[in-house]
Amino acid sequence: GENVEQHPSTLSVQEGDSAVIKCTYSDSASNYFPWYKQELGKRPQLIIDIRSNVGEKKDQRIAVTLNKTAKHFSLHITETQPEDSAVYFCAASFLTGTASKLTFGTGTRLQVTL
Amino acid sequence: DAGVTQSPTHLIKTRGQQVTLRCSPISGHKSVSWYQQVLGQGPQFIFQYYEKEERGRGNFPDRFSARQFPNYSSELNVNALLLGDSALYLCASRREGTGSQYFGPGTRLTVL
Repeated sequence: GENVEQHPSTLSVQEGDSAVIKCTYSDSASNYFPWYKQELGKRPQLIIDIRSNVGEKKDQRIAVTLNKTAKHFSLHITETQPEDSAVYFCAASFLTGTASKLTFGTGTRLQVTL
Repeated sequence: DAGVTQSPTHLIKTRGQQVTLRCSPISGHKSVSWYQQVLGQGPQFIFQYYEKEERGRGNFPDRFSARQFPNYSSELNVNALLLGDSALYLCASRREGTGSQYFGPGTRLTVL
């Protein structure tokens, strides 16, 4: 089955700096890669996702890149703010019309300091 | 639009008991998935249902079962509870034609 590795496990950056979180996946059939942000005691919140036919996607301060050959994908957050502090999870899935199992990474705790 | 809702919010049970957790998807979403999240870890896939049929099952024992109703709501049942079943149980719904899954607030299950 699919296995997703995520690094680093913790990341501390100063406000305004950029943060990068990296994931690798094992199943070359995976075609959908979402990122979730989870604040303490709250639900995972979908922040951005990318399909395997796209190499990069941006949404304001957040971007995701995908390298299918290397089976890597990364989350980039620019101009970090204190409210970006949370745990971030990457995930991979082989999407079909009816199936959509997500395999999650182990999470990255991001702390943005003033 | 209401998001995914789950009930109850919290639940305390003792070993050997049975529990039923409930989920209502976002209106119009026909696919519901269940995940278990142990403290400090990422969510682990348990089941996925689409149009009332099981479409995927994770690596969980037969004590875990689920079903989906005609209105697309879903129930997760866990029998013979073990201490290790203590976790946050998350439900997610997906809009047809997209990969985007949206999570509910979860049910925090504590087994004593």
